[in-house]
Amino acid sequence: SQQGEEDPQALSIQEGENATMNCSYKTSINNLQWYRQNSGRGLVHLILIRSNEREKHSGRLRVTLDTSKKSSSLLITASRAADTASYFCATASGAGSYQLTFGKGTKLSVIP
Amino acid sequence: NAGVTQTPKFRVLKTGQSMTLLCAQDMNHEYMYWYRQDPGMGLRLIHYSVGEGTTAKGEVPDGYNVSRLKKQNFLLGLESAAPSQTSVYFCASSIPRGRRNTEAFFGQGTRLTVV
Repeated sequence: SQQGEEDPQALSIQEGENATMNCSYKTSINNLQWYRQNSGRGLVHLILIRSNEREKHSGRLRVTLDTSKKSSSLLITASRAADTASYFCATASGAGSYQLTFGKGTKLSVIP
Repeated sequence: NAGVTQTPKFRVLKTGQSMTLLCAQDMNHEYMYWYRQDPGMGLRLIHYSVGEGTTAKGEVPDGYNVSRLKKQNFLLGLESAAPSQTSVYFCASSIPRGRRNTEAFFGQGTRLTVV
């Protein structure tokens, strides 16, 4: 079964608002990653957080990781219409972090 | 720098036909992956490879075979295509030698329809 589960499955917000997506996983991990997918395209890496980190920032993105609860959240601040996409969390586990397992994704719609 | 290149981009197969999807990466990555993406299911791992000459099964390996004879190439084969294999297939690569905790790079996908 898939490791990560994103919540909510779909999210619709107004431009300028913040968007928060959550991810829960089942087993221990080496790192957790967030990816973005525009309709019909390949996935693009956004940010990686290691298992010993609790928070990470990259531009308008903020990711938190709570390994005790096996959960992560992705916050996109001051959203733009161009942020409309599907967002996936992926967990890396195994001795060499080679098992990269994805959740089902959150579909974000940002309304201009 | 091409990154990860998948060929073909689109293909229509008849039930029972065979085909091979090619994935090529030029980043000297050790790990390569094949995923399928179906509506509402996210990405599911089919097979993966942690190095040249090695392959391993993922979550949904049945009906697929893979080979990694060269480090830069990862081939996904369908021996006898079935309508249930209609999907979008993505290849990815990651982990340069000597590093850990790095991101994966994805190809643009292959849209396969089995009729």
